[in-house]
Amino acid sequence: GAGVSQTPSNKVTEKGKYVELRCDPISGHTALYWYRQSLGQGPEFLIYFQGTGAADDSGLPNDRFFAVRPEGSVSTLKIQRTERGDSAVYLCASSPSENTEAFFGQGTRLTVV
Amino acid sequence: DQQVKQNSPSLSVQEGRISILNCDYTNSMFDYFLWYKKYPAEGPTFLISISSIKDKNEDGRFTVFLNKSAKHLSLHIVPSQPGDSAVYFCAASAQYGNRKLIWGLGTSLAVNP
Repeated sequence: GAGVSQTPSNKVTEKGKYVELRCDPISGHTALYWYRQSLGQGPEFLIYFQGTGAADDSGLPNDRFFAVRPEGSVSTLKIQRTERGDSAVYLCASSPSENTEAFFGQGTRLTVV
Repeated sequence: DQQVKQNSPSLSVQEGRISILNCDYTNSMFDYFLWYKKYPAEGPTFLISISSIKDKNEDGRFTVFLNKSAKHLSLHIVPSQPGDSAVYFCAASAQYGNRKLIWGLGTSLAVNP
């Protein structure tokens, strides 16, 4: 596609459930980033992939959060045992390399009830 | 502790006038700074960036100024247009590029016709 695509655009889940958020980056972009934006805050770094490997996962808040990018393209952010505090907009971005402009998707709004 | 601070939550200017958005940072290791623009229900869009070896970068109507001694940067938009109305985020990185950007809370700019 022309831009970064994130699905679903909205997700409502019950506390304790497992969710997966998908990111389709721009074709050919080797760098992929996940951020989380809570209401009234700026985006908060979660994890960065260079190709298939997670080059920096220091932003993942705890071990309930995990992300994969098995073929170096699509990435999935996985959240186990969701909590109400996980409610936020989850943003994905990609770039040709880490030193060039990053393009963001429209985000997935996750609501944990 | 906010390492990147945008102390004005909102700003209102008249069409055709200059908009000045300010950003302060505390981490002297930051060496790359970016401004992003965000419309509602969309992901952030890259606007302009500056590395710490420069004190000014200009792109059309947008100019970013960096004052390293004051740990301060500003974004100037001139002339302002109604389509510039959006939330503007300042972001910084301690490693050149997009890796692990630290974001401010954003400034909502309203350009009035």
